[in-house]
Amino acid sequence: GAGVSQSPSNKVTEKGKDVELRCDPISGHTALYWYRQSLGQGLEFLIYFQGNSAPDKSGLPSDRFSAERTGGSVSTLTIQRTQQEDSAVYLCASSRDNEAFFGQGTRLTVV
Amino acid sequence: EDQVTQSPEALRLQEGESSSLNCSYTVSGLRGLFWYRQDPGKGPEFLFTLYSAGEEKEKERLKATLTKKESFLHITAPKPEDSATYLCAVQRGRRALTFGSGTRLQVQP
Repeated sequence: GAGVSQSPSNKVTEKGKDVELRCDPISGHTALYWYRQSLGQGLEFLIYFQGNSAPDKSGLPSDRFSAERTGGSVSTLTIQRTQQEDSAVYLCASSRDNEAFFGQGTRLTVV
Repeated sequence: EDQVTQSPEALRLQEGESSSLNCSYTVSGLRGLFWYRQDPGKGPEFLFTLYSAGEEKEKERLKATLTKKESFLHITAPKPEDSATYLCAVQRGRRALTFGSGTRLQVQP
């Protein structure tokens, strides 16, 4: 596809379980971002990958959150031991030069 | 620390009633200022990038302008389909984008 693809689109999980969210960026885009958006709120930065540089992890809220980007393409955001406050929409974006293009997000609900 | 403040939080307009949304920012070494539109349940949709003070960009009924401290998104003769949340973001160097909390625009027929 031509755009950023995220899966799953919706995920309901039990408190304490681990979840993995996937992002397929636009082909050729070297930068990849993860953001979190709670209901009615703005976008909260989580982590940023730029080419082969070390990722900027400064936005990760706790050590339960981690992300990797394999082969400079697909990225996976992992949340361990999920808590109810992790419920949000997780958005991924990719960029080649300047403009960042977003996927439709994964809506995570922790029950 | 980079900061982005958007105002108003919410705006209700009548169809055809022009207005402006404000984005004030504090960032050292601005690389770009970005405007996005977000519809409910969707990811943000890219609208504009502005790079330097004095720059303007237009798309249909929207025009974005930039000064050294703020950006405006002018909406001329809006239509109901322009209803959405408009997000502003800044980028410092090759860092992640910092977003404001957005302006929820509602255009009534």
